[in-house]
Amino acid sequence: GAGVSQSPSNKVTEKGKDVELRCDPISGHTALYWYRQSLGQGLEFLIYFQGNSAPDKSGLPSDRFSAERTGGSVSTLTIQRTQQEDSAVYLCASSSGSLAGGHGEQFFGPGTRLTVL
Amino acid sequence: AQSVTQLGSHVSVSEGALVLLRCNYSSSVPPYLFWYVQYPNQGLQLLLKYTSAATLVKGINGFEAEFKKSETSFHLTKPSAHMSDAAEYFCAVSIKPYTGTASKLTFGTGTRLQVTL
Repeated sequence: GAGVSQSPSNKVTEKGKDVELRCDPISGHTALYWYRQSLGQGLEFLIYFQGNSAPDKSGLPSDRFSAERTGGSVSTLTIQRTQQEDSAVYLCASSSGSLAGGHGEQFFGPGTRLTVL
Repeated sequence: AQSVTQLGSHVSVSEGALVLLRCNYSSSVPPYLFWYVQYPNQGLQLLLKYTSAATLVKGINGFEAEFKKSETSFHLTKPSAHMSDAAEYFCAVSIKPYTGTASKLTFGTGTRLQVTL
């Protein structure tokens, strides 16, 4: 596709339910990132996938959060037993594996707005 | 560890006036620095980036920023504001990646720019 896409665009769930958020990166991009944007915390890094390397999970706030990236492309962020403080916009970004073009640039998707009631 | 401080959560300028958005960083290693813009209900868009080449960086929409190591600053400027510049602006820092072409971004808290007639 032309850019990073995320689905759903909005998700409303009840406290305690599990949710899955999907990210489709730009075709060919080897790196994929998840960030969270909330009123109280601003923009926070969650997790980072680079090629076949082990993901950097250092930003995940609790063990209720997990993510996987299948086939080096699509990624799913899963939040188990959601809490009200999980309400935020979850942003996905991808970056190229080419040093020649866009070195260091991350391209962001439009985000998924999660509301936990 | 890296951190970013953006002075001023809200900045208001008149159309045609100079735009100055301040960003100071902290990094134990040479940083990569970025400015992103976020329009309402949209994802983040890269304005410009510094990755250890020229210290004066020109970006899209007439914006530019200057990396000043002695001041640990990367302020964003535009000579003449336009109504369409109204948005939220985020400064971000990362480090040179050990593998691949990018590493996680640490964001500032953002500055909302208002442009008045």
